[in-house]
Amino acid sequence: SQTIHQWPATLVQPVGSPLSLECTVEGTSNPNLYWYRQAAGRGLQLLFYSVGIGQISSEVPQNLSASRPQDRQFILSSKKLLLSDSGFYLCAWSKRGGPPETQYFGPGTRLLVL
Amino acid sequence: QQQVKQSPQSLIVQKGGISIINCAYENTAFDYFPWYQQFPGKGPALLIAIRPDVSEKKEGRFTISFNKSAKQFSLHIMDSQPGDSATYFCAASTRSSNTGKLIFGQGTTLQVKP
Repeated sequence: SQTIHQWPATLVQPVGSPLSLECTVEGTSNPNLYWYRQAAGRGLQLLFYSVGIGQISSEVPQNLSASRPQDRQFILSSKKLLLSDSGFYLCAWSKRGGPPETQYFGPGTRLLVL
Repeated sequence: QQQVKQSPQSLIVQKGGISIINCAYENTAFDYFPWYQQFPGKGPALLIAIRPDVSEKKEGRFTISFNKSAKQFSLHIMDSQPGDSATYFCAASTRSSNTGKLIFGQGTTLQVKP
């Protein structure tokens, strides 16, 4: 069966510090991968998606970047965090090469920038 | 045209009552409409989904009603239970897209009172 991992679960960082959030998927190959941000009490904002290694599409201009160094690894980064980067970050995957159907979400990382 | 509009933003229902959440879309290319359920501090999980070739899909107490001509779809939760208290997101996508991108509604926070 497929499993998606995210870490860390919780992170408190000062403004101006760097960020690296990691997401890995097990039990599938060639997945589509996604990063979402969810502000408190708000909806899901798609930040980045990837259809393959090294292929990253950005949905909104922002202070963040994403990379996919391996097939089942997706990393969200920032060189200098802003207060507005606080939120709940969710990684998700879907099956590629056929009807995408379903996105499967990870447990999320709660980021607080102070 | 890419938006999915969801209402209401929040909903309070008594135990045993019917919860109804509505969504509307503009893009006629959408051909897959899932609903996700999210409990606090967790990632969303697929609850039920429908394709536009049917007008209704039922799974247990959860029913999706789909009106293609009106470009609207809704989630009905029958015999609502306190355990159903969560945030619900509707979404839409084009299954022929190889990106698997979902366009999410803004979310509805449901509280079921005992």
